[in-house]
Amino acid sequence: AQTVTQSQPEMSVQEAETVTLSCTYDTSESDYYLFWYKQPPSRQMILVIRQEAYKQQNATENRFSVNFQKAAKSFSLKISDSQLGDAAMYFCASLDDKIIFGKGTRLHILP
Amino acid sequence: GAVVSQHPSWVICKSGTSVKIECRSLDFQATTMFWYRQFPKQSLMLMATSNEGSKATYEQGVEKDKFLINHASLTLSTLTVTSAHPEDSSFYICSANWREDRPYNEQFFGPGTRLTVL
Repeated sequence: AQTVTQSQPEMSVQEAETVTLSCTYDTSESDYYLFWYKQPPSRQMILVIRQEAYKQQNATENRFSVNFQKAAKSFSLKISDSQLGDAAMYFCASLDDKIIFGKGTRLHILP
Repeated sequence: GAVVSQHPSWVICKSGTSVKIECRSLDFQATTMFWYRQFPKQSLMLMATSNEGSKATYEQGVEKDKFLINHASLTLSTLTVTSAHPEDSSFYICSANWREDRPYNEQFFGPGTRLTVL
């Protein structure tokens, strides 16, 4: 069965510091995608970063990067130079024939 | 580009009534649309996958007679909550993708619809 696990319900980070959100997944497919989505208080789902499983290189998007460990089925998100606007729920998701979300990590940014 | 809208954004109804939620892809043709349900402070739970012109595929535990999904055109999918009860109160989110082949490379999410059943 396809599963996504986020073991950190909440995290806090000082503004301008770096924080890493953890995610592990399981899928029987060899071809799949992994995502990190951000959900601010507006509840609009916003794509933060995407990783294709067949690519070994870790995806990066400005201050956001991932550490994709395929053998370990781990997909962590690193946010550098944290900003107040980064405060939100972050969902890790796995997509093969359908998308499955983890339970989310609420990120607090401390000024 | 790739904008998905939902209507209404918030609906309040009486118990026993039916409510229809629309999901539209505004600038692309959505061959596949997904419906999710999100309870407060919880994750998104996939309810069903709908492909244009065919019957929706429901996830285990989702009552297809309770949650009617129609995907009659490439830009519109509707979710009808029939005979709504207070336990159906939730946040409903749709997403859309324009590719039919697996795996889908990205989904575009609507802003969600808050349903409150009195």
